[in-house]
Amino acid sequence: DQQVKQNSPSLSVQEGRISILNCDYTNSMFDYFLWYKKYPAEGPTFLISISSIKDKNEDGRFTVFLNKSAKHLSLHIVPSQPGDSAVYFCAAPLLETGANNLFFGTGTRLTVIP
Amino acid sequence: EPEVTQTPSHQVTQMGQEVILRCVPISNHLYFYWYRQILGQKVEFLVSFYNNEISEKSEIFDDQFSVERPDGSNFTLKIRSTKLEDSAMYFCASQGGDIQYFGAGTRLSVL
Repeated sequence: DQQVKQNSPSLSVQEGRISILNCDYTNSMFDYFLWYKKYPAEGPTFLISISSIKDKNEDGRFTVFLNKSAKHLSLHIVPSQPGDSAVYFCAAPLLETGANNLFFGTGTRLTVIP
Repeated sequence: EPEVTQTPSHQVTQMGQEVILRCVPISNHLYFYWYRQILGQKVEFLVSFYNNEISEKSEIFDDQFSVERPDGSNFTLKIRSTKLEDSAMYFCASQGGDIQYFGAGTRLSVL
């Protein structure tokens, strides 16, 4: 049951360059998506979200793009900084059930090289 | 900044023992959740809680699991008789608006 998929387990990027993290989903009922960042020994920290009525949401260095027809979203970080090194999770709630339980991807470990 | 706090950070127990994992959600939040992450796997939903009752639960959340909000601040997850496969990180989350905020987790090690 892989409703949210992150196919790249790891990504390395030079400091100052763009990081692009990808996420695909299979359930067409998802209409809201979130990105979380996780450092070791900490819980997931909310980063940015996007509703399906939009195709882009920007917050500082972070931009999330949503392509509903392709069931694909991506997180862009520019410029990347060493402090961005963490595991990034894509997640989506299945709101039709009345609860907001999140379906998570398996995560992508981003390493930003100074 | 308000945060979700979880205790203990690490719990070691023998198989068959009961454990209680504790969480203090953010004070004005109304929805609470437990998730777990087995080492090397994805974060999985266990249960959601609203208005002092379970709102939804996954198939992982069987009769060995229970949740409780014993007072106005704590939210607990109890595992009645732990199994080896219950070893995982357990995360509590509380929801404000559309965003779930997570605690740092409790690492449960069942020996």
